[in-house]
Amino acid sequence: EPEVTQTPSHQVTQMGQEVILRCVPISNHLYFYWYRQILGQKVEFLVSFYNNEISEKSEIFDDQFSVERPDGSNFTLKIRSTKLEDSAMYFCASAQGQGSYEQYFGPGTRLTVT
Amino acid sequence: AQSVTQLGSHVSVSEGALVLLRCNYSSSVPPYLFWYVQYPNQGLQLLLKYTSAATLVKGINGFEAEFKKSETSFHLTKPSAHMSDAAEYFCAVSGLFGNEKLTFGTGTRLTIIP
Repeated sequence: EPEVTQTPSHQVTQMGQEVILRCVPISNHLYFYWYRQILGQKVEFLVSFYNNEISEKSEIFDDQFSVERPDGSNFTLKIRSTKLEDSAMYFCASAQGQGSYEQYFGPGTRLTVT
Repeated sequence: AQSVTQLGSHVSVSEGALVLLRCNYSSSVPPYLFWYVQYPNQGLQLLLKYTSAATLVKGINGFEAEFKKSETSFHLTKPSAHMSDAAEYFCAVSGLFGNEKLTFGTGTRLTIIP
């Protein structure tokens, strides 16, 4: 069964460093998302992406964040200058669209900022 | 704007007993509603979805949920709990156009007592 994959599973970085989190969505899906879950809290929406552009972003998704679909398969989230409060589990999700509304989630990348 | 409220951050049931996890939604438009399950150190797995078809929705692992517009509820049930059901359960809502962002509840941790 097709699934969303994410790499790395765990990333440790120092405050102020740039990180890139990578996702490979399900191949025939058209909608892509990033969410995050701070430890012990609920899952929060960051950004959605469709047709090679951002369709919606949350207040969390400020100028330090960017997303890209550099080729036909990868979908990346970049944090330019990490802060301690960026420590969280980051989930990528994808949806087929075209009447199918389910979002399928990857296993997540745990980002630890020290 | 949409939101969901999950009553009970922790629920414990005996193995074989009924599981009832509560979710109430708020939406200015007809919502799409979802239940996701998160096992320890894993991503989010879709259990079931409501997308304005049948009000009683059956999902995986014997779970089902009923959409009640008059009560703005979408409670998750399972007739007989199994030890493998121990996990965190999240209710989520999205807007009218289906592929919009998911807004999650705070989650309910389900513990199964042997």
